Amino acid sequence: QVQLQESGPGLVRPSQTLSLTCNVSGASMSSYTSYWSWVRQAPGKGLEWIGYVFFSGDPYYNPSLRSRLSISVDTSKSQFSLSLTSVTAADTAVYYCAREIAASGTRVFDYWGQGILVTVSS
Amino acid sequence: SSVLTQPPSVSVAPGETARISCVGDKIGSESVHWYQQKPGQAPVLVIYYNSDRPSGIPERFSGSASETTATLTISTVEAGDEAEYFCQVWDSSSDHVFGPGTKVTVL
Repeated sequence: QVQLQESGPGLVRPSQTLSLTCNVSGASMSSYTSYWSWVRQAPGKGLEWIGYVFFSGDPYYNPSLRSRLSISVDTSKSQFSLSLTSVTAADTAVYYCAREIAASGTRVFDYWGQGILVTVSS
Repeated sequence: SSVLTQPPSVSVAPGETARISCVGDKIGSESVHWYQQKPGQAPVLVIYYNSDRPSGIPERFSGSASETTATLTISTVEAGDEAEYFCQVWDSSSDHVFGPGTKVTVL
């Protein structure tokens, strides 16, 4: 059973850095068809893909967040992490980590963490 | 880049059929995936590759796609199906795109 679990602070001050970690169990992070992603959902809003990291460490970011974003992986600890700098109230959201599977020319999110609410406020 | 359009809401009586559309100009050339999200919970994949069902998802959930429209169909709707449903596509130029979501209300 694949499980993902987010952890990190629930409150971040404006202009500071938001840092989250996702622990993965029940799956190898070193699969060539798996990408390890972050998705967020602002209160009452839809889903926004943030970015992903491959087990090799290669990341890919949503262009709208690229200048502030870093996603890394530590396969020895079965975890991957997100760092978002210079946060504002617009970054307040539930942050989900998820596994995306690549197959048949597409990618789909098959497993999700429970999500963690991060509020940006002074 | 891809843009997906969904109706904001769909209402259906128990036992009836709910149909949720997802419109996009590249639907016909991309696989569409559907997620169910209940309040306070993470999304759950209910349909992938337009019409395949993951293990554990009831047969009442089905999907189809044509040139510009994908449709999620929930047959014999139950109270437990009340949730928000999101469609999603991926392509190499837009990466992941989610639809805005459709709230299904069971009357």
